[in-house]
Amino acid sequence: GEDVEQSLFLSVREGDSSVINCTYTDSSSTYLYWYKQEPGAGLQLLTYIFSNMDMKQDQRLTVLLNKKDKHLSLRIADTQTGDSAIYFCAESMRGGKLIFGQGTELSVKP
Amino acid sequence: GAVVSQHPSWVICKSGTSVKIECRSLDFQATTMFWYRQFPKQSLMLMATSNEGSKATYEQGVEKDKFLINHASLTLSTLTVTSAHPEDSSFYICSGTTGPYEQYFGPGTRLTVT
Repeated sequence: GEDVEQSLFLSVREGDSSVINCTYTDSSSTYLYWYKQEPGAGLQLLTYIFSNMDMKQDQRLTVLLNKKDKHLSLRIADTQTGDSAIYFCAESMRGGKLIFGQGTELSVKP
Repeated sequence: GAVVSQHPSWVICKSGTSVKIECRSLDFQATTMFWYRQFPKQSLMLMATSNEGSKATYEQGVEKDKFLINHASLTLSTLTVTSAHPEDSSFYICSGTTGPYEQYFGPGTRLTVT
């Protein structure tokens, strides 16, 4: 079945780069997403990548997609304390539904 | 970006009562809305998909008679938790989409059943 895996925790120092990794199983996914969730809040769409792309950059965010290995990563450059949150990757399925990973809790230390 | 609201943001109810949660797309028409459930420190689990004017499609293991979903218009979907029990306590999040690319999420509703 469909499955999306993420590591649960990542701790970095302010100013460093953060790299959050994700693996997925369904090779037919058209889009892959990164969402950010702050405590007690809903999900904020950070970025998404179409499955025929290898990389997408948007300001401090860089998404890399290795379709062969079914591996997706999100790099946050110059990480700030305001970036502390839970980050979810998700793959799109038929009908538009999303399958989410468990979420990676990013902790940014000053 | 597109905005989705949920009401209420937090509700406490007694066991055995029913609770209705509203999900509205404020500045776009959502042809499809999704309802998710999230337990503390866990991922979002899709409960059901609803298309305006038709019956919702429920995921395996989700009781359709317990979680009633109505998608009466292109901007409003409601989730009613009937005969709520403490195990229904959770964070419920809806989302709306106009196409295949982007899904816009509401801020969530925290339900506590006592």
